[in-house]
Amino acid sequence: QTVVTQEPSFSVSPGGTVTLTCGLSSGSVSTNHYPSWYQQTPGQIPRTLIYTTNTRSSGVPDRFSGSILGNKAALTITGAQADDESDYYCMLYMGSGTWVFGGGTKLTVV
Amino acid sequence: EVQLVESGGGLVQPGGSLRLSCAASGIIVSSSYMSWVRQAPGKGLEWVSIIFSVHDSGGPTYYADSVKGRFTISRDSSKNAVFLQMNSPRAEDTAVYYCVRLRDYRVEYWGQGTLVAVSS
Repeated sequence: QTVVTQEPSFSVSPGGTVTLTCGLSSGSVSTNHYPSWYQQTPGQIPRTLIYTTNTRSSGVPDRFSGSILGNKAALTITGAQADDESDYYCMLYMGSGTWVFGGGTKLTVV
Repeated sequence: EVQLVESGGGLVQPGGSLRLSCAASGIIVSSSYMSWVRQAPGKGLEWVSIIFSVHDSGGPTYYADSVKGRFTISRDSSKNAVFLQMNSPRAEDTAVYYCVRLRDYRVEYWGQGTLVAVSS
């Protein structure tokens, strides 16, 4: 079974730029996987940030952007702020009516 | 305003059964792609199941391998609600279950979640 992979943790300095990635244990991520990204802080419901690779959800600041980098989907945060410290999940459409979430990346802003 | 309100969670014994409900307002469930996503305590998100819009091939259902054959998703258009029947639950099914609407291949709306604990 294909696994969706994410970095377990990442650290960024305030004001810095960080790119989180979302890959597959077998094969490459493409736009046909319709990558989406979610932000979750402890005890809160997830918030949808990006969908169909690079479309920002309503109200999401433009310092969040999505792309395909090489064989992975990517979420880039430019000008990181303290309240960006969260867990980030990607979700991919695997075809045949099924979706899979990645294991999540815990982002620390320090 | 869209609201998805889950109910039916609680403590269930391994091998028992439980039915989760999701009452929707502000959207039409039958025309939506309604799904369940779960999150085990301290763990990540896991996609569980989806029921397609009735306008899409009659509304088929799909499941994650981890629940296939044990869980069943359904809807009641007259109640504008979605359900998740959980049969033969296991300890690893313990999680907060979120009712969500998918659109353009992403979660558009999230419910508040309902906690299911599987334990003897």
